[in-house]
Amino acid sequence: AQSVTQLGSHVSVSEGALVLLRCNYSSSVPPYLFWYVQYPNQGLQLLLKYTTGATLVKGINGFEAEFKKSETSFHLTKPSAHMSDAAEYFCAVSERGAGRRALTFGSGTRLQVQP
Amino acid sequence: GAVVSQHPSRVICKSGTSVKIECRSLDFQATTMFWYRQFPKQSLMLMATSNEGSKATYEQGVEKDKFLINHASLTLSTLTVTSAHPEDSSFYICSARDGSSNYGYTFGSGTRLTVV
Repeated sequence: AQSVTQLGSHVSVSEGALVLLRCNYSSSVPPYLFWYVQYPNQGLQLLLKYTTGATLVKGINGFEAEFKKSETSFHLTKPSAHMSDAAEYFCAVSERGAGRRALTFGSGTRLQVQP
Repeated sequence: GAVVSQHPSRVICKSGTSVKIECRSLDFQATTMFWYRQFPKQSLMLMATSNEGSKATYEQGVEKDKFLINHASLTLSTLTVTSAHPEDSSFYICSARDGSSNYGYTFGSGTRLTVV
């Protein structure tokens, strides 16, 4: 069974600082990988996903993530944090070729951005 | 892009009553929908997978008689919480695979259920 681990339930950065949110997966075959953002009392919005091809994936709002098979990681980064980035971030995985399988989510990381 | 509309966004009900939550795929056909539950400050936990025209598949520990799922059409799935109790209070989110996109999962905006 696959699983995903997000290191750090809370991350606090200053506005303008680098954002780094960590995600590691556990799967014998590299899965599809996703990052979602959730604002209070709202659903999830896709930031980016990796399925195949280039391992550095660029998403919305200036976020990007790099798939590193050797490290089984898919960390999310943003060069300069903005106050509006404060939210809950979830890393998720899905088995390759699993047409009707749900996503498996990490425990989430709450990002705080200090002025 | 693919949109999933979820209603209601917020509902308060009395203990013992039933509540229905709807999820509609607005611009695509969703043969499969997923229902999640999220407790405060926690992650999303899959409750069940809903397939159009067939019975839903429930995750271990989820009471199928309490959380009734119906997926009668390619654009509508419903979750009914029967005989609700305060411990059922939670945030419920649906999700659907958009078969036309590259492994995309689209989420509804969620329903905050409070049972008093």
